[in-house]
This record gives sequence, structure tokens and C-alpha cells, in this order.
Amino acid sequence: RKEVEQDPGPFNVPEGATVAFNCTYSNSASQSFFWYRQDCRKEPKLLMSVYSSGNEDGRFTAQLNRASQYISLLIRDSKLSDSATYLCVVNIEGQNFVFGPGTRLSVLP
Amino acid sequence: GAGVSQSPSNKVTEKGKDVELRCDPISGHTALYWYRQRLGQGLEFLIYFQGNSAPDKSGLPSDRFSAERTGESVSTLTIQRTQQEDSAVYLCASSSRPSGTHNEQFFGPGTRLTVL
Repeated sequence: RKEVEQDPGPFNVPEGATVAFNCTYSNSASQSFFWYRQDCRKEPKLLMSVYSSGNEDGRFTAQLNRASQYISLLIRDSKLSDSATYLCVVNIEGQNFVFGPGTRLSVLP
Repeated sequence: GAGVSQSPSNKVTEKGKDVELRCDPISGHTALYWYRQRLGQGLEFLIYFQGNSAPDKSGLPSDRFSAERTGESVSTLTIQRTQQEDSAVYLCASSSRPSGTHNEQFFGPGTRLTVL
């Protein structure tokens, strides 16, 4: 089983749609969680950290379920500029960051 | 302030040559990471530095790959006797600490390596 798994995608949605991405991780010792976005031929950029109580940043909401080892990202009112690959990332105390394979999103006009 | 920088941005080399890639992390960031990303693929972890030591170098694909970090700052990734399968974007990232809250990674723009 891979350490971090994500929805395979791609997701093609119309502008204004709500889209949700799912991520699961295998190591229960994971303690930090993030969503990054990566545009084509660019480096990954931090979208948001994921906190235990869940957190929201504008149109983006992240949730963490430690018992199920599951992370989600919800994008509301999607924009053309949201088109990118979304990467789920987990970190274990004192160790490297583990990136999921990513889920590609295309928001269509 | 300045972000993570990498040089060169592009490198074309012939099979069998050695290459050296450089990463300048954000000032004060103690943790530094190297990743490889082949075209259309996900990020592949190579090595992680905490200060100048490398607690985890499990991702280095072969003994042709090595990395060092000096002064808790600049890091170089060296690939000896390059092969065509080494062609990829090599990404460097730094974080203020390896764990705990607010330990987000910040990435450099990468070095695109092409081995002919």
C-alpha cells in the first residue's frame, strides 16, 4: 500500500462547481498535513495546512480525520484559475515529507 | 524576503557526464529536501537534511547520486555518470523545522535536467 493515496482524477468540472478531493495515509504516526497545488511545469506551492479541527481559507476547506487517516479538500465556486494538480502531503516527526501522486483538476468555462 | 533559489534553471548534458545542482534555501531554514519529478509524474523524495546532516537519504536512486550541505545553508546534488533516465526536474525545498506546526515546505523553481 502506498504511504499517501489520492483520488486518481482527472476531475473536469464547470466553473462555479464544488469539487472535493480525498486523500488517505497509511502511517498513523503522521503529524502534519498539507495541501499543495502544482501548476503545469511549475513547482508545488502551499495551498493550506490541515489542522485537526478542520480549517477554511476563503473558498477552500480542509478536513482531517485522524481515526480514519483521511484528509479532504473542498473547493467551492471553482474558478478557471483553480485548474492545477492538487497534492496531499503528510509529515512524520523528524522525517521527510511524503507527497501523494496528486489529483488533476480542470475547471472548464 | 527571498525564497528558495536553484541553479542552473536548465541543464543539458551528455550521457556519462557529471552534473552539479545547487539549492539556496530560505535564510534560517534548518531543513532542506531534494525531490525529483519526471515528466507527468509525482514528486520522488531523494534526500533530506537537518542542518548539515542527512538523517534520511533513502530516496537516492543509486550510488551515482550524492548530496551535501554546508553551513546549514547551500546544498548541492551531484549526479555522476548521468544516464538518460536521470532526465527530470530536480526540486529543492526548505522548511523552518522538520516537524511540528508551521513546518510547511517552500519550493524552489527547480532545475530541469536533460541528458542526451
